[in-house]
Amino acid sequence: AQSVSQHNHHVILSEAASLELGCNYSYGGTVNLFWYVQYPGQHLQLLLKYFSGDPLVKGIKGFEAEFIKSKFSFNLRKPSVQWSDTAEYFCAVRSNAGKSTFGDGTTLTVKP
Amino acid sequence: EAGVAQSPRYKIIEKRQSVAFWCNPISGHATLYWYQQILGQGPKLLIQFQNNGVVDDSQLPKDRFSAERLKGVDSTLKIQPAKLEDSAVYLCASSLEPSGAYEQYFGPGTRLTVT
Repeated sequence: AQSVSQHNHHVILSEAASLELGCNYSYGGTVNLFWYVQYPGQHLQLLLKYFSGDPLVKGIKGFEAEFIKSKFSFNLRKPSVQWSDTAEYFCAVRSNAGKSTFGDGTTLTVKP
Repeated sequence: EAGVAQSPRYKIIEKRQSVAFWCNPISGHATLYWYQQILGQGPKLLIQFQNNGVVDDSQLPKDRFSAERLKGVDSTLKIQPAKLEDSAVYLCASSLEPSGAYEQYFGPGTRLTVT
């Protein structure tokens, strides 16, 4: 069975601080990993994805994530957050059949 | 390209009433998903269609929820009768193919409140 655990429910940072959101997954097959973002009042959007190859993946808006197979982790990072990064962030694992399992999300609040 | 369309955006009903949601996926996308997102939780897959066939409905409460995708394009999700715990945002998503390598595109969701 697939499962995803996001460690932080709510993170509060000041602008220019560095960000790291934790994500651990459980899945027995070939793993496809995603981070989605949901800005206030908007729908879910893809930030970045990992299928294979380089375990460090870069996404939109300066976000990146590192897949560490031995730790079953796919943590999201950004060196310097902006007020506009205030949003909810979801980690997801997806099977090759297309079934997605999402974590419960982390709400990021960035103070100006 | 146009995104995934959903209607209505908001719906308030009383318990034991019925309700239906509509989804129009991105043109050409064979795979369509319905998710339920309860406040404070991540989206949970209810049902996955490939064209007009059901691929996975293992988490769909079939005693009260039903879904169909006629002609492999639009889809409707119905709840009858609704319970208080059905209050949630119902998300529709589509992808070109079901493989995990293909990106899912999400609609804006329908926020259902059951009173």
